[in-house]
Amino acid sequence: TQLLEQSPQFLSIQEGENLTVYCNSSSVFSSLQWYRQEPGEGPVLLVTVVTGGEVKKLKRLTFQFGDARKDSSLHITAAQPGDTGLYLCARNAGGTSYGKLTFGQGTILTVHP
Amino acid sequence: NAGVTQTPKFRILKIGQSMTLQCTQDMNHNYMYWYRQDPGMGLKLIYYSVGAGITDKGEVPNGYNVSRSTTEDFPLRLELAAPSQTSVYFCASSYYTVWSSYNSPLHFGNGTRLTVT
Repeated sequence: TQLLEQSPQFLSIQEGENLTVYCNSSSVFSSLQWYRQEPGEGPVLLVTVVTGGEVKKLKRLTFQFGDARKDSSLHITAAQPGDTGLYLCARNAGGTSYGKLTFGQGTILTVHP
Repeated sequence: NAGVTQTPKFRILKIGQSMTLQCTQDMNHNYMYWYRQDPGMGLKLIYYSVGAGITDKGEVPNGYNVSRSTTEDFPLRLELAAPSQTSVYFCASSYYTVWSSYNSPLHFGNGTRLTVT
């Protein structure tokens, strides 16, 4: 099993602060997806990163794929209470196992007003 | 657009009972999946299907069964419920062809919260 490790597991910050969530693996992955999940709902895709060194921005969220394609990070600038939720990274299980996504254990983010 | 619809939203079972979790999607997606989510453990794949009549095991299939008789529906069956099956269950779907990106996003339902006591 190719594990994905997310850190930190919990993050509690004040509105306006910046934060970074990390997703690491011991093996190279061809692509990585970031999802956000709100209480009582299913995860929703935020972004897919494919190319080593790639940076993608989604408003105040910046996603980076490591040069070696073994790690990724999600940076939120000036966090708002609406950013509260569970952030999950996921990668394909490998080979021809399309869709068999392996998920990290998630980062629970709480942004206090 | 309804997307992926799961029923019921909540269920309490006694040990040894059986039940079926329903999942239907209206996006004409060919791939469908069942995941379970335990606190602090992310999501683990139970079963998935690449099309009607075709299913395959994921990471944690023991104690579950699935069928895929139509493109739209992918029910998950628990035959003899056990406390270890207490979890939140998510159904998801995606569309994939050999000409599309392998990064096609998964669309999730809102989950079924199951408690086995």
